[in-house]
Amino acid sequence: NAGVTQTPKFRVLKTGQSMTLLCAQDMNHEYMYWYRQDPGMGLRLIHYSVGEGTTAKGEVPDGYNVSRLKKQNFLLGLESAAPSQTSVYFCASSYAMNRGDYGYTFGSGTRLTVV
Amino acid sequence: GEDVEQSLFLSVREGDSSVINCTYTDSSSTYLYWYKQEPGAGLQLLTYIFSNMDMKQDQRLTVLLNKKDKHLSLRIADTQTGDSAIYFCAGGNMRFGAGTRLTVKP
Repeated sequence: NAGVTQTPKFRVLKTGQSMTLLCAQDMNHEYMYWYRQDPGMGLRLIHYSVGEGTTAKGEVPDGYNVSRLKKQNFLLGLESAAPSQTSVYFCASSYAMNRGDYGYTFGSGTRLTVV
Repeated sequence: GEDVEQSLFLSVREGDSSVINCTYTDSSSTYLYWYKQEPGAGLQLLTYIFSNMDMKQDQRLTVLLNKKDKHLSLRIADTQTGDSAIYFCAGGNMRFGAGTRLTVKP
């Protein structure tokens, strides 16, 4: 099983450029999430989805957009990248939102640098 | 919103016990979780505890939950160098702590 796959793994953007991060899961999970990880700040939730065609804002949604057109895919878009968006981005999925035996499955991350 | 707080660093000697602590503010979480992140990798679910339990043991791992104080801890017995990683506490509503970097010295 591939689990959660994120592409690309690394990317360097210039300020103002746009890009899309792709997350794909093959576990038929309903819930999908995008987090960013910054030193000393842990994981912060950007956006999440509770099912195909739905999205919702998390703690730090500004500057990002998401789409979930297919159940297995969750896309994170940066319309106009800023240096403050330099971070490691993690996608995760789960069968349920709060079930102990079904925790989150994480991808391996995308390291984004905005110069 | 919910806050989940952890100390950022812990250093122990190989063979000692490690205790990683976490406090949280939201008491509505049905489950509380511990995740482990190794260098360059995503997070992996390590263990979890149901909110009506006060202790859970799983081989070298012991999770203690004090609901009154909203305090969660993870104890790793006989800590090995392979346990060096960042450990995250998480509640049930998608919130994670900042992570505790555990360093195990030989």
